[in-house]
Order: sequence, then structure tokens, then C-alpha cells
Amino acid sequence: GAGVSQSPRYKVAKRGQDVALRCDPISGHVSLFWYQQALGQGPEFLTYFQNEAQLDKSGLPSDRFFAERPEGSVSTLKIQRTQQEDSAVYLCASSTYNNEQFFGPGTRLTVL
Amino acid sequence: KQEVTQIPAALSVPEGENLVLNCSFTDSAIYNLQWFRQDPGKGLTSLLLIQSSQREQTSGRLNASLDKSSGRSTLYIAASQPGDSATYLCAVRAPFGKGTMLLVSP
Repeated sequence: GAGVSQSPRYKVAKRGQDVALRCDPISGHVSLFWYQQALGQGPEFLTYFQNEAQLDKSGLPSDRFFAERPEGSVSTLKIQRTQQEDSAVYLCASSTYNNEQFFGPGTRLTVL
Repeated sequence: KQEVTQIPAALSVPEGENLVLNCSFTDSAIYNLQWFRQDPGKGLTSLLLIQSSQREQTSGRLNASLDKSSGRSTLYIAASQPGDSATYLCAVRAPFGKGTMLLVSP
């Protein structure tokens, strides 16, 4: 079946612009995770959803970052007023409850 | 707060060698531990998942063990091949280690 998909795959934004990154999880997966991965580093946890409920947002670096999953399926990560330090690969993963995470290909965000 | 550490940060071995990658975590109350592989510029590929009630999992030349009491997991790769060259990451559900960059030379 289809895996986790993310769009866009690449995004270039000017500093100060708002961006929205989309994640389509595997159908039926209740858990959805967002991660930020800087070059040469491991993924850093941002936020976690179980169905439509955002159970953990402790990793969001600032109030410019916002994530939603209104119908418990597709999720959007929004970054307002982007800064250069936001440049990274944003990864989405989904899983059945407490089970194996499957990752999407990521969105590479470059803020100029 | 759960913290995950991987040692070594980088490893270079000749083809054919058996090797062990290490992962340690600070909080033993885990649901599971997962090992991933990441090739340069690519996403993460799941290798093995060990549930908290299990002690090891095997897939082909890969064997992962879990010792919750000591907060450790190891990934054993038998008869390494140049195609195994990648960064290997372990994750305790959400917190990830920084990875071990493996280079297998022919």
C-alpha cells in the first residue's frame, strides 16, 4: 500500500514568509509525528498526534510553529514568519498505536 | 526527559567485518525501540522494531538486542557490505539518537 507522503518535497521561502507543510500518513495509522532534522543531525521531535488530538507539542521551538490534524488523518505543519534557523528537513512519521514508525521522504525547507 | 545517545558517532570498517552499534537511553520505561537507516539526502528506513517485552529482533544480517534495565540496545551487523554504508539511528518512540555514520570499504 501507499506509504507516508509529504508535500512539497522542497520549499524555498524568503525570511518572514509563512509556510505550510503537508503530511499524508498511512491510512489507518492513529499516531503521527513531526520531526525537524538539521544537516548532519538526528531528527528532533516536534509534536505528536493521536488521531486529531495533539498530545505532545513540547518540541515545537517557538510559537511561530503550529501543527494541526483536524480530521485525524492529514496533518499540516505551519511555520509563521520564517527565519533562517528554520532551514531544515521536516520529517513526518505515522504508526499504529505504540508500534513501528514509518517515515515520509521529508520536506527540505530553505529560508533565504 | 528521555535522552538517547549513540556510540560511536562514526565507524569505518573493511568489507566482511562484523560490527556492533550502540544505543543507550536514560529512561527504561519505554514502549519500544526502533533502529533506522538513513542514506545521504534520503528519508529514514525502518530496520528493526523491538517491543519493550522483547529482548531481540533479527532481520537477515541484522540483529538488535534490548536491555531495558541497563538502558541499552545494540545493533549487530554481520558480514558487512559496502551497501551497508549509511547513518544508523535508534529511537525510543520519539527521541532519536544522533546516529552512527557507518562506512564499509571494499
